[in-house]
Amino acid sequence: EVQLVESGGGLVQPGRSLKLSCVASGFTFNNYWMTWIRQAPGKGLEWVASITNTGGSTYYPDSVKGRFTISRDNAKSTLYLQMNSLRSEDTATYYCTREGARYWGQGVMVTVSS
Amino acid sequence: DIQMTQSPSSLPASLGDRVTITCRASQDIGNYLRWFQQKPGKSPRLMIYGATNLANGVPSRFSGSRSGSDYSLTINSLESEDMAIYYCLQHNEYPYTFGAGTKLELK
Repeated sequence: EVQLVESGGGLVQPGRSLKLSCVASGFTFNNYWMTWIRQAPGKGLEWVASITNTGGSTYYPDSVKGRFTISRDNAKSTLYLQMNSLRSEDTATYYCTREGARYWGQGVMVTVSS
Repeated sequence: DIQMTQSPSSLPASLGDRVTITCRASQDIGNYLRWFQQKPGKSPRLMIYGATNLANGVPSRFSGSRSGSDYSLTINSLESEDMAIYYCLQHNEYPYTFGAGTKLELK
């Protein structure tokens, strides 16, 4: 059974940093691209970042490019999202997903507020 | 960026109804279109992939279709467990983009 378990969320002040983790199990992690998707409270879904199975290429929308970094440790079956220069509009539930969002984690809440 | 225009935003319906939700792509996305169902407090669930393929465990009353740049999700014989918000996603090119969502609710 595919399992994706996120952690690392919480309350952070604007301008500060936070790093999310996602531990994967139930499949061969290094065979799959991975993606972070977020959802602001009461709003729709927004794609945040994707990374190839080797970690050799990464992709971001303009809204987070230059501030967020997706990475992975295939030996630990773990996906990461380093979030810098956080803004109030980054407040959301962040989901770790496999491939094009075929499988989802339970999500982790990030609140950016002073 | 590819825009996904989803309609309607809200869809009141009765149990047993047949309902259709549509997403229109602003550019060609081939069949790189997925549909998700999200219930309150839950993670989204993949329902349809490749525009027309039913994901594992999804009831057969759900179906996906394509007509040109219009992609549709149809639910036949609506059941109470189908009340949720539905989103489309294009993953043909980056940035991936979602439709704004359709809230399916009981009339």
